[in-house]
Parts: sequence; C-alpha cells; structure tokens
Amino acid sequence: DAGVIQSPRHEVTEMGQEVTLRCKPISGHDYLFWYRQTMMRGLELLIYFNNNVPIDDSGMPEDRFSAKMPNASFSTLKIQPSEPRDSAVYFCASLEGTIPYEQYFGPGTRLTVT
Amino acid sequence: QKEVEQNSGPLSVPEGAIASLNCTYSDRGSQSFFWYRQYSGKSPELIMSIYSNGDKEDGRFTAQLNKASQYVSLLIRDSQPSDSATYLCAVNSDRGSTLGRLYFGRGTQLTVWP
Repeated sequence: DAGVIQSPRHEVTEMGQEVTLRCKPISGHDYLFWYRQTMMRGLELLIYFNNNVPIDDSGMPEDRFSAKMPNASFSTLKIQPSEPRDSAVYFCASLEGTIPYEQYFGPGTRLTVT
Repeated sequence: QKEVEQNSGPLSVPEGAIASLNCTYSDRGSQSFFWYRQYSGKSPELIMSIYSNGDKEDGRFTAQLNKASQYVSLLIRDSQPSDSATYLCAVNSDRGSTLGRLYFGRGTQLTVWP
C-alpha cells in the first residue's frame, strides 16, 4: 500500500491568502485525522472523520480553518485567510476502525505563512 | 481531559546501552497504547503497540504495560545512533464517540552517542 498521501509537501504563502492542504488516506481505512505540530504546542488534533463524517472538530483553532471529506479517499484542510501563526507542519493520519486501531501518518505538509 | 505524560528528557545514552522511555496516562479505561518514533523533519512512525499487561518484544524494542499503575514504557536494547529521535507515547480511546482517537504525550527526545 502507498500509505497516507499528502500534498503539497511544502507551502509558502503570504498572510491573507487561502491555503488548501490535501490528504488521501490508506485504502480501506474509515477514520481520517488532521493534526498540527509546532515546537511550542507539540502535536495537536484538529479534526477527525469517521466514514467521511466529522466526529470531533473541537481542535480547529478558529473559523478560518475548515475541513471536508467528500469521499472515502480524499480530504482537505483549508485555511482562509492564513496568518503567520498558522505556520506549522500539518499531518494527516488514517486508521482502520477495528482492533488494533493503529493509526498511520502521512509525510506532512510544512506550511510557512509570511 | 485525557492526559498523557512522558519524561521530558532529553535522554542521552551511549551506543549499546539500554534506553528507557516512560509514559503515564490518566484515563483508567484506556485499552490500547502505542509508541511512535519521529525523526527530525519527518512524520511520526508507529513502532510498537501493546494492549495487555506485561511485556511485548519486537527486535530490540520492548514495550511494557501496567494498567493498574497506568504506566507504559519502551525499552530500546543495544541502542544505536540511528535510534536518535523523539519518541511519542499515545493512548487510544477505544469506546463511544471517541473510538480511534489518540491522545499523545509531548514526546521524549533520545540521543544515542557513539
């Protein structure tokens, strides 16, 4: 299996611009997670989906962030408008909702907002 | 709020020694426990999972779980410089609406010096 796929791997944008991050989970996995990682805050869960339905979005920092999962093989995380404090590495992860509930991470998108 | 605490480190051991990484968790009902390794600039990589009290061995890695003490550890035998990374402890919420959600510690940075 190709693993979790994320794009782009790097994104540099100016403050105020819209940013869209993309994720393709492992085939057959019915849970998808979006995380953000910074040195200050560590790894934070932003939102996660089960069978394409958002289950918990309490980690989404504010209304500028939105996430969608239109089908089982694709999800997006959008930031509009972006701010310098959004600079971080964003990871997508997926798992198959059966024991052993092992979660696998994508390579991440490094976002820099200037 | 489910808390996962790790010894903050950094931990430094000589090549060939045993590295011991520790983790405690607050939710007594947790059932699944994971160790991830994260190299600098890379995504978290699942290296061990454990579900039952006792030890689980995989090559040079041994995970130990004590549910009564709410404690999980990772031992790395014959440590190698290539083991130098940050190790993240994660605990799964195995029930209800949060099934599949992982709660992460802040990580312990390990350096193995030759």
